Amino acid sequence: GAVVSQHPSRVICKSGTSVKIECRSLDFQATTMFWYRQFPKQSLMLMATSNEGSKATYEQGVEKDKFLINHASLTLSTLTVTSAHPEDSSFYICSARGTLDSPLHFGNGTRLTVT
Amino acid sequence: KNEVEQSPQNLTAQEGEFITINCSYSVGISALHWLQQHPGGGIVSLFMLSSGKKKHGRLIATINIQEKHSSLHITASHPRDSAVYICAPGGGADGLTFGKGTHLIIQP
Repeated sequence: GAVVSQHPSRVICKSGTSVKIECRSLDFQATTMFWYRQFPKQSLMLMATSNEGSKATYEQGVEKDKFLINHASLTLSTLTVTSAHPEDSSFYICSARGTLDSPLHFGNGTRLTVT
Repeated sequence: KNEVEQSPQNLTAQEGEFITINCSYSVGISALHWLQQHPGGGIVSLFMLSSGKKKHGRLIATINIQEKHSSLHITASHPRDSAVYICAPGGGADGLTFGKGTHLIIQP
């Protein structure tokens, strides 16, 4: 089946630094990728939607200058958390799909801890 | 905004039992996902439904688009089915909205 690879799976960084998370579709072309965040014991929340070659569309309340999303190719999207703060500590997960009526495929997530 | 209600929130059952998880949502959509999230956080998409019923192994998902309701059933449940099951209306041109999930524990 379709596979989405997300790296790193865990990252610990110091406050003020930036962290890049990669999401790759390994065996299909992902025209659309989604980035989500999940705080402990809470629902997944959509952060942004990115279409290959276009600027990402951010959900209300998500700072686009803080969470930089790049989707430069049909197999790779990156999320960069800039100037990370402890409150950015969370579980970040991506998903990808090919065509509009394709099911979503999820990465395994990245647990970010900002100290 | 699509309001998603899942029930039950928590469910503990014995191995072999038939499990049903229900999902209701407030805004009409063209598709709905059922997701499975394991303790490590990884998510697997179990089904994407637009109408009727789908079956995959011991899992069955149904949807009634008119009534804005979907159910996930697990037959002959097994401890390895223990996970959080999330209903997510949306897909296609619609963004996903996520339910809070049903925490399922299957005891041997």
